[in-house]
Amino acid sequence: NAGVTQTPKFQVLKTGQSMTLQCAQDMNHNSMYWYRQDPGMGLRLIYYSASEGTTDKGEVPNGYNVSRLNKREFSLRLESAAPSQTSVYFCASSESPGVTSNQPQHFGDGTRLSIL
Amino acid sequence: AQKITQTQPGMFVQEKEAVTLDCTYDTSDQSYGLFWYKQPSSGEMIFLIYQGSYDEQNATEGRYSLNFQKARKSANLVISASQLGDSAMYFCAMRGPISGYSTLTFGKGTMLLVSP
Repeated sequence: NAGVTQTPKFQVLKTGQSMTLQCAQDMNHNSMYWYRQDPGMGLRLIYYSASEGTTDKGEVPNGYNVSRLNKREFSLRLESAAPSQTSVYFCASSESPGVTSNQPQHFGDGTRLSIL
Repeated sequence: AQKITQTQPGMFVQEKEAVTLDCTYDTSDQSYGLFWYKQPSSGEMIFLIYQGSYDEQNATEGRYSLNFQKARKSANLVISASQLGDSAMYFCAMRGPISGYSTLTFGKGTMLLVSP
């Protein structure tokens, strides 16, 4: 009963390095999301993919890129990591949302990323 | 624009007592959905309860209920008979017209501590 799986769980990078955070869901959801969580800031949306083949910017997209590889997988890439990107990153998925949809987003366990 | 405000950075409650966590929202749209999530110290995000803007009754899920006051734009979470395991961070979130109802906007959260 995996739900949303994120890899890795922890990562330390040096400034300027690149890396890709992986996310996969097994619930056949159409929509997937990437958030970052910083102390006192709640969760802020980085990018989302409302359906396979589409991606859109969220509130804080600068410094990130995403790929919706297929219906199951949605990756987040940091091309040149900066200390300001030290954060906890969450991937989430949901059924196709709509104005009356009560379907929640289901979250992975998060990736704790430190950039030195 | 849509915004979620959680004014209580921290709350304390004794075991078996009820507690109310405040959430106010700002939107000019008539159609929206409100969600509450729990984040224990282990870090995962757990969906608790949903309220739609057109729902006439307040949502309930076990010990959780949502005190929805549409005119005041508030959606407070009520936890009855608090348990030690309720100690966690709680986030209020809204799905609104931004991004075609695809995404959630989160508040900054309230930390709840339940004492014996």
